[in-house]
Amino acid sequence: GAVVSQHPSRVICKSGTSVKIECRSLDFQATTMFWYRQFPKQSLMLMATSNEGSKATYEQGVEKDKFLINHASLTLSTLTVTSAHPEDSSFYICSADGTANTEAFFGQGTRLTVV
Amino acid sequence: AQSVTQLDSHVSVSEGTPVLLRCNYSSSYSPSLFWYVQHPNKGLQLLLKYTSAATLVKGINGFEAEFKKSETSFHLTKPSAHMSDAAEYFCVVSDIYGFGNEKLTFGTGTRLTIIP
Repeated sequence: GAVVSQHPSRVICKSGTSVKIECRSLDFQATTMFWYRQFPKQSLMLMATSNEGSKATYEQGVEKDKFLINHASLTLSTLTVTSAHPEDSSFYICSADGTANTEAFFGQGTRLTVV
Repeated sequence: AQSVTQLDSHVSVSEGTPVLLRCNYSSSYSPSLFWYVQHPNKGLQLLLKYTSAATLVKGINGFEAEFKKSETSFHLTKPSAHMSDAAEYFCVVSDIYGFGNEKLTFGTGTRLTIIP
């Protein structure tokens, strides 16, 4: 199957700093990528849909100015958590649609810890 | 609107015995349904998917699921549990979102524990 690579897998940052997470589709082009957040022992919640060359579409309750999404190419989307707070600590996962939109492929996830 | 209900937050079975993870869904359209597995601190791996073809879907690692429209269910089963099956399992329903891309809605997950 197609491969989606997410980097970094784990990051620790200080409160007030910004962190960038990358999501790459390695062997296919993804016009759409999705960013999810997963709190401990909970399900994945969709944060935003990232469309190549256009602005991301954010889900209700997600602060677009805090979670900046850029989808500059067909193989790369980035999520930047700005002015991070401890409550932003979570597991962030991206996914990309494969060909014919029949399946989503997930990255390995990024565990963010804000101290 | 679409939603998924996983009826059990935690299931424990003995190694070698059958596994049943329950899932009910609601969808305004003909849904696509998926089961994903997540091992600790790992991403999600697709186990199987239903996309309006055969109602009994076989996936990887011996798992299968049956789509029952009359019951709006998509339960995941495996005849004989293995220790490596211990993980979190998510039932997922998809709908068309925007430009023909799928928007996935996740269930709350079922943690499967295998007893040696």
